[in-house]
Amino acid sequence: QVQLVESGGGLVQPGGSLRLSCAASGFTFSDYTMHWVRQAPGKGLEWVAVVSHDGRNTYYADSVKGRFTITRDNSKNTLYLQMNSLRTEDAAVYYCARDFYHSMDVWGQGTTATVSS
Amino acid sequence: QTVVTQEPSFSVSPGGTVTLTCGLSSGSVSTNYYPSWYQQTPGQAPRTLIYSTDSRSSGVPDRFSGSILGNKAALTITGAQADDESNYYCVLYMGGGISVFGGGTKLTVL
Repeated sequence: QVQLVESGGGLVQPGGSLRLSCAASGFTFSDYTMHWVRQAPGKGLEWVAVVSHDGRNTYYADSVKGRFTITRDNSKNTLYLQMNSLRTEDAAVYYCARDFYHSMDVWGQGTTATVSS
Repeated sequence: QTVVTQEPSFSVSPGGTVTLTCGLSSGSVSTNYYPSWYQQTPGQAPRTLIYSTDSRSSGVPDRFSGSILGNKAALTITGAQADDESNYYCVLYMGGGISVFGGGTKLTVL
């Protein structure tokens, strides 16, 4: 079945880095644009970044631009989010999601990034 | 910076009908924004309900419907059930690869 599984979350100090992964299965990963979406504790959902099916085009929310990098490895059916210069306000559950007509039609269960000293 | 607006909270009686809206701080929402809607209960991943304004995602019951009402996107739930009590989020595609979530609406069924 179609599935997305995130990993890589954990505890990091402010200013540190974290790399999240999202393993896709059950569909042709290389055909789809992919998103990262996050949710801070007790807050709403926030769109973070998107990458085109071939990895050539990437776009970011202003809140993470210049600090986060979205990439993908279609040979491994895996999406990544490299998060640098982390701030306390980046603490959140991070979801990967598949794009469908500029919406997100398949979601992972999320991985939690905690940023604290 | 464009803000996507949603009602913070709404309540509906069981069996009733409710319409949640999704607007812009400046301007009108049209189909060109590809509005989509998501349901989320605490501790769970979001579930996609509606994409491209009015298309239901697979497995979503037809009591959920999407539309444009005036200058906003709308999600209508007819025959509300207890397990519809959730947070509902809309997303608008702003172009240039950028999507923006609304702040969400907490729906209470009572």
